[in-house]
Amino acid sequence: DGGITQSPKYLFRKEGQNVTLSCEQNLNHDAMYWYRQDPGQGLRLIYYSQIVNDFQKGDIAEGYSVSREKKESFPLTVTSAQKNPTAFYLCASSKEGLSYNEQFFGPGTRLTVL
Amino acid sequence: AQKVTQAQTEISVVEKEDVTLDCVYETRDTTYYLFWYKQPPSGELVFLIRRNSFDEQNEISGRYSWNFQKSTSSFNFTITASQVVDSAVYFCALSEARSGNTGKLIFGQGTTLQVKP
Repeated sequence: DGGITQSPKYLFRKEGQNVTLSCEQNLNHDAMYWYRQDPGQGLRLIYYSQIVNDFQKGDIAEGYSVSREKKESFPLTVTSAQKNPTAFYLCASSKEGLSYNEQFFGPGTRLTVL
Repeated sequence: AQKVTQAQTEISVVEKEDVTLDCVYETRDTTYYLFWYKQPPSGELVFLIRRNSFDEQNEISGRYSWNFQKSTSSFNFTITASQVVDSAVYFCALSEARSGNTGKLIFGQGTTLQVKP
């Protein structure tokens, strides 16, 4: 079955630690996205990548970093510079990364900073 | 500036009632796309529909229907004869063709729909 996998489902982190969230897709999509969701709010774009070895900052990139070394993988690192990292993180992909492409989402990772 | 507003934070209905979820958007682009997604308790967003700015035809899919009106910048979603399985958070989103055509989605705040048996 084609789809997007995110791991882990739940993640706990101590303050001052970096942590990496995994996102893998087997849909052969060119574009991938990372969103952050806070309670009662919509999704906000962190980073996106339309092609391998290239990525762009979204609206709330501070304190986050990404890499896109393979088409199917787009890991997100939450660094210690992110002041309020506790949130639900969703990864998505789309076929070409164009405005008319619908995005397909993974099941999400819930990050809690202790 | 682009923006999506879903003024209804939470809606509660009894099964079999019809319910309409409102979505109002702002954009300066003449070419844009509107989306609706459903987020069940499991957390994964599920794509429901896409509509482009040049197509104002209403659409019906089973118990779901969508009303797109450019004159009022609205893209409302109606569920007819609601069921408990419709309970979820529903998001409206906007994608503009002008801004580098990156596929970036601007989401509304979401509407939590609770359907009681």
